[in-house]
Amino acid sequence: EPEVTQTPSHQVTQMGQEVILRCVPISNHLYFYWYRQILGQKVEFLVSFYNNEISEKSEIFDDQFSVERPDGSNFTLKIRSTKLEDSAMYFCASSPGQNYGYTFGSGTRLTVV
Amino acid sequence: AQSVTQLGSHVSVSEGALVLLRCNYSSSVPPYLFWYVQYPNQGLQLLLKYTTGATLVKGINGFEAEFKKSETSFHLTKPSAHMSDAAEYFCAVRVNNDMRFGAGTRLTVKP
Repeated sequence: EPEVTQTPSHQVTQMGQEVILRCVPISNHLYFYWYRQILGQKVEFLVSFYNNEISEKSEIFDDQFSVERPDGSNFTLKIRSTKLEDSAMYFCASSPGQNYGYTFGSGTRLTVV
Repeated sequence: AQSVTQLGSHVSVSEGALVLLRCNYSSSVPPYLFWYVQYPNQGLQLLLKYTTGATLVKGINGFEAEFKKSETSFHLTKPSAHMSDAAEYFCAVRVNNDMRFGAGTRLTVKP
């Protein structure tokens, strides 16, 4: 069964550093998403991406965040200057269309120290 | 914007007992509804979904959910709990290209 792949599974970074979280969505999917889950809390929407542009973003997704689909297969989330409160599990998801559920990756645990 | 409320952050049942996890949604247009399961240290796995058609939907692992428009509910049930069902369960509502999750319900299964 096709999977969404996320790398790395765990990343530790110092506060103020830039991080890039990588995702390879399912190849025939058209819609891409990033969500985050702070430990013990709910899954929060960050951003959706379709047709090579952001289609929606939440209030969490401020100027520190950006997304890219640089080569037609990878979908990346960049955090420019990490803060302690960015520590969370970050999930990538993809979907073939609006009538479908999302397929989630297994997540990247980001720890900011 | 649409939203989801999951009643009960923690539900505990005995093995073999009925599982009932409650979900109510708010949406100004007909929603698509989903249940996801998250096992410890893993990602989100789709259990089942409602888009259109039959209001009782069956998913993996013996779970099912019924969409009740009059009650704006989409409760998840399983007739007989198994130890392996212990996990976090998330209800989600999708309108167009925007999916929002509930806060989750942690299911504990006692032997």
